[in-house]
Amino acid sequence: QKEVEQDPGPLSVPEGAIVSLNCTYSNSAFQYFMWYRQYSRKGPELLMYTYSSGNKEDGRFTAQVDKSSKYISLFIRDSQPSDSATYLCAMSGGALNQAGTALIFGKGTTLSVSS
Amino acid sequence: DAGITQSPRHKVTETGTPVTLRCHQTENHRYMYWYRQDPGHGLRLIHYSYGVKDTDKGEVSDGYSVSRSKTEDFLLTLESATSSQTSVYFCAIGTSGETQYFGPGTRLLVL
Repeated sequence: QKEVEQDPGPLSVPEGAIVSLNCTYSNSAFQYFMWYRQYSRKGPELLMYTYSSGNKEDGRFTAQVDKSSKYISLFIRDSQPSDSATYLCAMSGGALNQAGTALIFGKGTTLSVSS
Repeated sequence: DAGITQSPRHKVTETGTPVTLRCHQTENHRYMYWYRQDPGHGLRLIHYSYGVKDTDKGEVSDGYSVSRSKTEDFLLTLESATSSQTSVYFCAIGTSGETQYFGPGTRLLVL
């Protein structure tokens, strides 16, 4: 079993739809959870960053972490064509950016929002 | 791209040729990382650095070496390129307690 599982999609939705993207993980030590957005032929850009369980909202984006189920989600409200990209989840067990602490990435979900 | 540049942005080389990729940052971050991204595998860590001359291996370090002689520069070297090293290479930077920010990537094709 991979440490982080993410459905690659593709996921196609009409403009204005609510999108739900998810990752599951097996390592109960993960405490830091991130979502990155990656446009075609570009580098990943940080979208959301949460620590431990709970919700975090930023504009149209909401990140949820359920550590008891080892499940994280990213919700996009009122989706726009400009949201069409690949979304990567990432997580870490230790404090970020310390020797010996690595970010583990999901393989990414490709989202297409049609107008 | 958070003050990160990568060079070259595209490179085509032949099997057995040495290749060096450069990552340059203007943010003065202590941590720098090299990842490769391949279909079906996602992003995988090759090497990282936690200071000048301080480096460590990641998940897929075989066939790669790194050097960091200045805070702002982190070099990735493929000693003898193989076709399996055809990939997109990303550099990332970070500060303790915060997450990582990625560069624009280098597309490498090994023929």
